Amino acid sequence: DGGITQSPKYLFRKEGQNVTLSCEQNLNHDAMYWYRQDPGQGLRLIYYSQIVNDFQKGDIAEGYSVSREKKESFPLTVTSAQKNPTAFYLCASRRTGANEKLFFGSGTQLSVL
Amino acid sequence: EDQVTQSPEALRLQEGESSSLNCSYTVSGLRGLFWYRQDPGKGPEFLFTLYSAGEEKEKERLKATLTKKESFLHITAPKPEDSATYLCARGIREKLTFGTGTRLTIIP
Repeated sequence: DGGITQSPKYLFRKEGQNVTLSCEQNLNHDAMYWYRQDPGQGLRLIYYSQIVNDFQKGDIAEGYSVSREKKESFPLTVTSAQKNPTAFYLCASRRTGANEKLFFGSGTQLSVL
Repeated sequence: EDQVTQSPEALRLQEGESSSLNCSYTVSGLRGLFWYRQDPGKGPEFLFTLYSAGEEKEKERLKATLTKKESFLHITAPKPEDSATYLCARGIREKLTFGTGTRLTIIP
C-alpha cells in the first residue's frame, strides 16, 4: 500500500542531544513537509521541500534541520538549539493536480527526558 | 495573513444527533479549504477540498459546504466511530493555515 511511514512512534531526547525523525513515502510525490502539532494549536510548518536537494524554512524552522537527498525520504533533525521540542511531529507529502491534498504520516511523539 | 478559527472547540452528541462544525477565515480569495479527520495519536486523514463558494461535497455521514468566509462540516446521524478531531485548513501548497480543530465525541 502506498503511504507515508514515520519512525519512531515515540522518541525521547536528553538535554543537549540531537535526534532525527524519519519520514519515508512511496507515493511518488515531489513535495514533502514537516509540521509540528502542540495541544490547543493548529499545525505549524517547520520545513518543506518541493524537489530533491532543495528545501525551504517554514514558519518555525529555528532549532530544526532537514535534508532531501532522495525523493522518498525527508528526515527531520531536532537539534539541541530547539529549547521546547516536546510535540507531535507530522510528516506529509502533497499530491498535485485537480485533487491537490496533503497525505500525512502517523506521527512521532517527541518528549524531553 | 489568514486566520482560521474553528468552533466549537469540543462537541458531544448522542448517537444519531446531527450537528455542524464551523471553520471561519479572514482572507478572501482563491485558495483551497481542506477538512481532515484526526484520531488520537495518529496523523490527519484527508476528507474534503473545497474551492468555490457554494461548493458542497459529501462522504457517508459528512457533508462539507463553503461560503465566502466560512465552511461547515455537517454530520448527519453520527455514529460512535465518527468520534475524532476534525481539522480545517485554508491556503495553497506550503501556505496552509490550520485551525485548532473541533474534538467531536459521539455517545452511544
